[in-house]
This record gives sequence, C-alpha cells and structure tokens, in this order.
Amino acid sequence: QKEVEQDPGPLSVPEGAIVSLNCTYSNSAFQYFMWYRQYSRKGPELLMYTYSSGNKEDGRFTAQVDKSSKYISLFIRDSQPSDSATYLCAIDSGAGSYQLTFGKGTKLSVIP
Amino acid sequence: NAGVTQTPKFQVLKTGQSMTLQCAQDMNHNSMYWYRQDPGMGLRLIYYSASEGTTDKGEVPNGYNVSRLNKREFSLRLESAAPSQTSVYFCASSTVATNEKLFFGSGTQLSVL
Repeated sequence: QKEVEQDPGPLSVPEGAIVSLNCTYSNSAFQYFMWYRQYSRKGPELLMYTYSSGNKEDGRFTAQVDKSSKYISLFIRDSQPSDSATYLCAIDSGAGSYQLTFGKGTKLSVIP
Repeated sequence: NAGVTQTPKFQVLKTGQSMTLQCAQDMNHNSMYWYRQDPGMGLRLIYYSASEGTTDKGEVPNGYNVSRLNKREFSLRLESAAPSQTSVYFCASSTVATNEKLFFGSGTQLSVL
C-alpha cells in the first residue's frame, strides 16, 4: 500500500458546485498536511497548509484533516472555471524530514 | 520577485547525452529540491539540499547528480541520459523552519530519444 492514495479523477463539475477532493494515508506519524494546486504546464503552488487535525478555511477553500481515519479533504465552495487544475495532496512527518510524500493528483475541470 | 527560476524550459536529448538543469531562487531559502513528475506517478524527490554545502538522496536518485553551487543555485546533472529519464523536472525551495512549504519553479520538459 502506498503511503498516500489519491483518486486521479478526472473530476468535472459545473460552475458554482461544491468540490470535494480527498486523500488517504497509511502512516500515523504524519503531522503536516498540504494541498498544492498545479495549473497545466506550471509548477505546483501551495494552496493550504494544516498541522495536525482539524479544519482550516481560506476564502472558498477548506482543508480538513481526520487523523483518526487517516483522511484529508479539500473542499472548494462556489467553484469557478479558474479552479480548473490538478490538486495534489502532500504529507510530511515533520522533524526535518525534507521529504514530502505527494499524492498523484486529482485533475479538476470546472465547466462554465 | 522571480521566485524559483529553471532553465531550460524544454530539452530534447539523445540516449547517452549529458546535460545540466539549472535552478536559482531569490527568496533567500536555505533548502532546495529536485523533483520529477511522471504521468500516473506523481511527484518524486530526486535529490535535495537542506542547506548550502549539503546534498542528500531522495526517492529516485539513480542516474542523477546534483551540485549546490551556492545558497541561490542548485543544479541537476544527467551524465548519460536514458529514455526512462523522460519527464518533467521541477526545482523547489523552502525555508528550513517550514520545509513543508515548497515554492516550485515552472519546470523543465525533458525528452530523451
């Protein structure tokens, strides 16, 4: 079993929909949970960063971590065509590991 | 503010040729990384440099060498390119305190024929 599992999609939704993106992980030592957004032919950019469990909200984006289930989610409210991108979850144990574990990414298309 | 700059953006090599991918960051970050991204495989770490003067292997280091030239620059060298090294290569940087927060360059598309 890979350390991080992410459904690659593709996922297609109409504009204005609520989007839910998810990852599961296997190592309970993970402490830091990130979501990166990658537009076509661009490098990933950090979207959300969460330490330990709980929710974090930033505008239309909410990141949720459930450490008991080893499950992380990214919710996008009122999705826009500009949200069309690949979303990568990334997880780290901290303690100066320098080696993030990335999911394979979910490709999202928001249709006007 | 340029952030992380990678050159070249595209490159085609023949099997056995060598080349160096260049990366420079202007954010005064201590740590720098090289990743490759392949369809269905996600991002995989090739090498990283936690600080100037140090380099360490990541998940997939075979066939690559790196040089941390100074605090700003981190290069990746393919000594004898193979078709299996066809990929998109990303350089990234971070501070030591928040090495989970990576800043990526725009990538190099490399094809090895």
